[in-house]
Amino acid sequence: AQKVTQAQTEISVVEKEDVTLDCVYETRDTTYYLFWYKQPPSGELVFLIRRNSFDEQNEISGRYSWNFQKSTSSFNFTITASQVVDSAVYFCALSGYRDDKIIFGKGTRLHILP
Amino acid sequence: DGGITQSPKYLFRKEGQNVTLSCEQNLNHDAMYWYRQDPGQGLRLIYYSQIVNDFQKGDIAEGYSVSREKKESFPLTVTSAQKNPTAFYLCASSSGQGPYEQYFGPGTRLTVT
Repeated sequence: AQKVTQAQTEISVVEKEDVTLDCVYETRDTTYYLFWYKQPPSGELVFLIRRNSFDEQNEISGRYSWNFQKSTSSFNFTITASQVVDSAVYFCALSGYRDDKIIFGKGTRLHILP
Repeated sequence: DGGITQSPKYLFRKEGQNVTLSCEQNLNHDAMYWYRQDPGQGLRLIYYSQIVNDFQKGDIAEGYSVSREKKESFPLTVTSAQKNPTAFYLCASSSGQGPYEQYFGPGTRLTVT
């Protein structure tokens, strides 16, 4: 069975600090895809990134970076120099290549304090 | 602008009444999804549809029904059989099944009293 675990339920950091959100997944598929979504207070989920299981290169997009490690089944998300606007719930998600749905973790609520 | 619309943003109903939540997309996506979100529960899949006139049950389909008569529309009916209907409902779409990222609407917050 596929599973996504986000062990951090809630995190609070002071603005400008770096913060890492953990994501650990379980799957028996050799080909799979991992996702991160952001849910700001408005409620709408915003797609951030999709990675496939064959691409273990870290990705950086501005202040956001993602560390994918198959050896530890993790796909962690780091925000550098956090800002108040980063305050949101962040979801990690997983889908097998032949799956017709995405499995979401329970989310991590991130508070950036001014 | 392309996107997904859900209406209304807030919906109030009396217990025992059926209520239909609207979801429309103009992204020309084949697949559409309905999720329910409760505090601390993450997103749970209710129903999904990969093609017009076809849909499948998700993890928590009991008490809900859907239809997919048009590619751009996927309404969700919360029936009186749903025991705990008060929740935040999110609709999403994707250009394909599985590995494709899903794009979400703004959600409808349903309160049943």
